[in-house]
Amino acid sequence: GAGVSQSPSNKVTEKGKDVELRCDPISGHTALYWYRQSLGQGLEFLIYFQGNSAPDKSGLPSDRFSAERTGGSVSTLTIQRTQQEDSAVYLCASSSPTGLDNSPLHFGNGTRLTVT
Amino acid sequence: KQEVTQIPAALSVPEGENLVLNCSFTDSAIYNLQWFRQDPGKGLTSLLLIQSSQREQTSGRLNASLDKSSGRSTLYIAASQPGDSATYLCAVKKIGVGKFYFGSGTKLNVKP
Repeated sequence: GAGVSQSPSNKVTEKGKDVELRCDPISGHTALYWYRQSLGQGLEFLIYFQGNSAPDKSGLPSDRFSAERTGGSVSTLTIQRTQQEDSAVYLCASSSPTGLDNSPLHFGNGTRLTVT
Repeated sequence: KQEVTQIPAALSVPEGENLVLNCSFTDSAIYNLQWFRQDPGKGLTSLLLIQSSQREQTSGRLNASLDKSSGRSTLYIAASQPGDSATYLCAVKKIGVGKFYFGSGTKLNVKP
């Protein structure tokens, strides 16, 4: 596609339910990032995929959070047993066909998650 | 750990003014610095990327500078317009680390 696509754009869920957020990066981009943005806050790093390397999971806030990237393309962020503090906008970004360190980040429009 | 700070947090200016947004970072071992714009309810749009070996980048009315040794970058917006109203964020990519570190942003309001 022309840009990074995220779905759903909005998700309202009840506390304790599991949710899956999807990210479809720009075709050919080898690097994929998930960030979280809470109301009025900056971006909080969650996880980073680069090609076939082991992902950098250092930003995942708890073991309720996990992410996969299948076939080096689409990524799914899963939150189990959601809590109210998980409410935020989840942003996905991708970069460069070759993973060069000086490639710009391209963001999707995000998924706004509300846990009631 | 890399920390990125943006000052001011909010800025309101009349249309036509030139303005400067500031970004500072604590660790100068960076690959690049990138400036983004975020409109309400939207993702981030990349404006300018400055590589660590560069001093500045320009795009239209925007000019971004980088002083790596002092850990500072500025985004200069010339002849501001109401359409420039948005939140501006800076991010640095640290050497040896794949992720980008973001500032909290400066919310800009350009009044007609």
